[in-house]
Amino acid sequence: KNEVEQSPQNLTAQEGEFITINCSYSVGISALHWLQQHPGGGIVSLFMLSSGKKKHGRLIATINIQEKHSSLHITASHPRDSAVYICAALVIGESDSNYQLIWGAGTKLIIKP
Amino acid sequence: GAGVSQSPSNKVTEKGKDVELRCDPISGHTALYWYRQSLGQGLEFLIYFQGNSAPDKSGLPSDRFSAERTGGSVSTLTIQRTQQEDSAVYLCASSLDRPYNEQFFGPGTRLTVL
Repeated sequence: KNEVEQSPQNLTAQEGEFITINCSYSVGISALHWLQQHPGGGIVSLFMLSSGKKKHGRLIATINIQEKHSSLHITASHPRDSAVYICAALVIGESDSNYQLIWGAGTKLIIKP
Repeated sequence: GAGVSQSPSNKVTEKGKDVELRCDPISGHTALYWYRQSLGQGLEFLIYFQGNSAPDKSGLPSDRFSAERTGGSVSTLTIQRTQQEDSAVYLCASSLDRPYNEQFFGPGTRLTVL
């Protein structure tokens, strides 16, 4: 079992639909990172959160520390949202130099017009 | 300069040669990270620098890989005696202070080992 699991692996939806991508982790984390990788390969950091909820435009990320689960939501989805969405668990050891970022496999999202 | 920059953008080399990849982080960012992404694979963490602390090298796949960061700014990732399995996109990211802060990624260097 991977330490960070995402679901679904692939998601195809129609423009305008509400999208949810899930991330579960089994390690103790300092924070959880959501990133977006465009078809061309470029990576954009979306959110890093350690509790509660963050919102940026049509994107919302939530995390439940007790349940070790995070979700990324996209409201009013658009074809330009098509990308791979990756969650990564940040684990920091006793000193700040001991650092692990454990990656999920990614969710490939396709939004059809 | 706004974002993280990397050079070269593309590098083709022969098996057995050494390569150096460069990363210029965002000015003022003390944390710098190297990752790689092989074709069809997820991101793989390689190494992390935080200020003047000793780097976390736990992700380096072999002793052919090394990285340094001079003056707390520019970083160079060196791969010695390259192998075909080293072919990948090498990504650099930086963040303000600690990893808790969001990471800003460079465009990557696409390395092809023939």
